[in-house]
Amino acid sequence: AQTVTQSQPEMSVQEAETVTLSCTYDTSESDYYLFWYKQPPSRQMILVIRQEAYKQQNATENRFSVNFQKAAKSFSLKISDSQLGDAAMYFCAYRSRTGNQFYFGTGTSLTVIP
Amino acid sequence: DAGVTQSPTHLIKTRGQQVTLRCSPKSGHDTVSWYQQALGQGPQFIFQYYEEEERQRGNFPDRFSGHQFPNYSSELNVNALLLGDSALYLCASTLGLAGVNEQYFGPGTRLTVT
Repeated sequence: AQTVTQSQPEMSVQEAETVTLSCTYDTSESDYYLFWYKQPPSRQMILVIRQEAYKQQNATENRFSVNFQKAAKSFSLKISDSQLGDAAMYFCAYRSRTGNQFYFGTGTSLTVIP
Repeated sequence: DAGVTQSPTHLIKTRGQQVTLRCSPKSGHDTVSWYQQALGQGPQFIFQYYEEEERQRGNFPDRFSGHQFPNYSSELNVNALLLGDSALYLCASTLGLAGVNEQYFGPGTRLTVT
């Protein structure tokens, strides 16, 4: 079974600085998707960024980028120029290419310090 | 365009009772998945419905059951509630069963069992 591990329960960053959230996963599949979701206190899960495993190029969405290391099964999220609105719980998630079931990590709570 | 909606927002039940949670998928989506998110944890997959049938199921007991209606909306039923069933229940919708399409999450229903 696929497992997703987030080893940083809590992280903090100064406003305008850069922070990196870590994620590792375990799978025997060769083709899959990886995601970072943001869950603010309002609870709605919001997609931050998505990576397709067969693409070697790291995904980027404005201030958010990933470092995808397929061989190492590592998928970290870098947030640049951190803003107060970035404060939330961040979940790393895995999904097979052939199915819809997500496997989530336990989350990293990000605090942004003004 | 309405996103995924869930009702009710909050619910308090007594141990042993039964509960029904509801989800309306995003317009154009025909597949609904349910997740349980315990406090401080990542969401855990309960099951998925497509064409009014349960297509995939996670590691949850038979007390958890569901239904999908012809308009693609879905219900999650939990019988014989336990204290451990207290959690945020998330619904996610997508188009089809393949993993290629994006999934959207609803805001969740907070269930408290006393």
